[in-house]
Amino acid sequence: KAGVTQTPRYLIKTRGQQVTLSCSPISGHRSVSWYQQTPGQGLQFLFEYFSETQRNKGNFPGRFSGRQFSNSRSEMNVSTLELGDSALYLCASSSQGLGETQYFGPGTRLLVL
Amino acid sequence: QQQVKQSPQSLIVQKGGISIINCAYENTAFDYFPWYQQFPGKGPALLIAIRPDVSEKKEGRFTISFNKSAKQFSLHIMDSQPGDSATYFCAARAPSGSARQLTFGSGTQLTVLP
Repeated sequence: KAGVTQTPRYLIKTRGQQVTLSCSPISGHRSVSWYQQTPGQGLQFLFEYFSETQRNKGNFPGRFSGRQFSNSRSEMNVSTLELGDSALYLCASSSQGLGETQYFGPGTRLLVL
Repeated sequence: QQQVKQSPQSLIVQKGGISIINCAYENTAFDYFPWYQQFPGKGPALLIAIRPDVSEKKEGRFTISFNKSAKQFSLHIMDSQPGDSATYFCAARAPSGSARQLTFGSGTQLTVLP
């Protein structure tokens, strides 16, 4: 089976712009979770989608949003980018959700200038 | 109460030695404790996980020890190899419901010297 894929792998944006990141889960997996990884804050949970519905949400502002499509692919959107949004954004898929084995993608590295 | 505290921040071990990474938590309702391994440029990969009704779990060279009363758990890597050099994260899962999510420790950068 192909692993979790994320596109793009690298992205440079400027403050105030918005960005959309994409994640394709492992075939058959219905749960997709998103995480932000930074040197200062570590790995932080953003949200989880299961069967096109947001099932869990972390403590991030409303500028961070996501969605999941019927084929389980997921997108994450960040509006009005701030310098502090520079991070590695990881998505993980699993067949059922949190607590089951989560398989991470390689991440999208976002740099906000 | 959602925090997971991980130590040490970095660890250097000789080949063949034992690597020990510790984590502590406050929320007694956490019900699942996985460990992840991350290599540079890659996403984290699940190494081993334990539930609080078990005190120890071993998979190959990797062992989790879990102390429910002390609210601590640790990862032991036996016969450490240079290929084990990576960043290790402990995590804990919040209870079921809308707050269900994984909370990660801050990570330990392990270097195994040849």
